[in-house]
Amino acid sequence: NAGVTQTPKFRVLKTGQSMTLLCAQDMNHEYMYWYRQDPGMGLRLIHYSVGEGTTAKGEVPDGYNVSRLKKQNFLLGLESAAPSQTSVYFCASSPVTKPYEQYFGPGTRLTVT
Amino acid sequence: AQKVTQAQTEISVVEKEDVTLDCVYETRDTTYYLFWYKQPPSGELVFLIRRNSFDEQNEISGRYSWNFQKSTSSFNFTITASQVVDSAVYFCALSPRQGGSEKLVFGKGTKLTVNP
Repeated sequence: NAGVTQTPKFRVLKTGQSMTLLCAQDMNHEYMYWYRQDPGMGLRLIHYSVGEGTTAKGEVPDGYNVSRLKKQNFLLGLESAAPSQTSVYFCASSPVTKPYEQYFGPGTRLTVT
Repeated sequence: AQKVTQAQTEISVVEKEDVTLDCVYETRDTTYYLFWYKQPPSGELVFLIRRNSFDEQNEISGRYSWNFQKSTSSFNFTITASQVVDSAVYFCALSPRQGGSEKLVFGKGTKLTVNP
């Protein structure tokens, strides 16, 4: 039981490049989330999903897109990366019976130069 | 709107000292959950505790204790006899108990350094 996994662990992008972060969970959770963590800012919610095929905006959605084509996967896309998107990205998932009980992945450190 | 304030950005103590991390929250919800997470230097987020707004009893788990005071909207975390392994960033978080409990709002974190 791997829990929540994230791919890749590290990535360096140049301004304007695109990339997709993959989050996978094997706990059959309905809810999945993408957060970003910046120094001194805590974790902020980017987008989340309450089920396969549905997504919703969080606190800081601009510049990101997401997709939830399969229940176990939640993709976070950056179409045109900017230095302001340099951050550590965390994925999380939670069961529909306890949405607040979020299990976090190990994080992806993204640097945009 | 919900808000969590951790006024202490960084705290440094010597091993075996007791240390309290402050958390003050704002919410219009009548029922809600409060959480503490630990983020050690390795980077992962470790869940420590969830508290229901109905339950104002203090909780103790080993060297950790939590003091929830609804009257002052605070949910403080105390580590007794701190150890070097307690060095981490600690986050307090809040979510509504009904209708949107998936939306955790985090404080900015308190970095605790325990020196030998």
